Amino acid sequence: SAVISQKPSRDICQRGTSLTIQCQVDSQVTMMFWYRQQPGQSLTLIATANQGSEATYESGFVIDKFPISRPNLTFSTLTVSNMSPEDSSIYLCSVRQPTGEFFGPGTRLTVL
Amino acid sequence: SQQGEEDPQALSIQEGENATMNCSYKTSINNLQWYRQNSGRGLVHLILIRSNEREKHSGRLRVTLDTSKKSSSLLITASRAADTASYFCATDASNQAGTALIFGKGTTLSVSS
Repeated sequence: SAVISQKPSRDICQRGTSLTIQCQVDSQVTMMFWYRQQPGQSLTLIATANQGSEATYESGFVIDKFPISRPNLTFSTLTVSNMSPEDSSIYLCSVRQPTGEFFGPGTRLTVL
Repeated sequence: SQQGEEDPQALSIQEGENATMNCSYKTSINNLQWYRQNSGRGLVHLILIRSNEREKHSGRLRVTLDTSKKSSSLLITASRAADTASYFCATDASNQAGTALIFGKGTTLSVSS
């Protein structure tokens, strides 16, 4: 399975600021995914990121709040913009391979 | 909306006992995956079972799938304290980008020594 890394692993931010999370994969993949896991909850898909095209967002998530870049087949970023305490969550990226969908270690974000 | 629902929500057992977690889903699927998450860290992929498969094994893990009942179970045999974690099932569903994983709420397993 692909090896996926994320930066930062955690951060504490002030409300109103923005944070960009990086996701790096050790092999080329067509589709990358970004998820949010709010405290005590399950995972919710934010968007699907394909290289060379705009990300496709799920209902309830908008590009202005969660802009995504996908400059090549091994890298993606998710920005959490104009943060509020409600954005405190774990953010995870994933990639899909024939044997399943595999996740990065996550970025734990706390917004004060 | 959530596709998969695990039960029980929480399970406490002793080391050496078996743990069984169940997952029910609502619509037809291509595959179902089980994941483990330790203390809010990343998800570890355990097993993928396809809709035409009925049972899969991986070490101490056994997963079954009953598409007629729209349900799956994860059995962990001879549990260890290190198995303490949250376990999630995820099913694929169609969305604008193709398909996406829909996660259940998870089962929190506590294994005491």
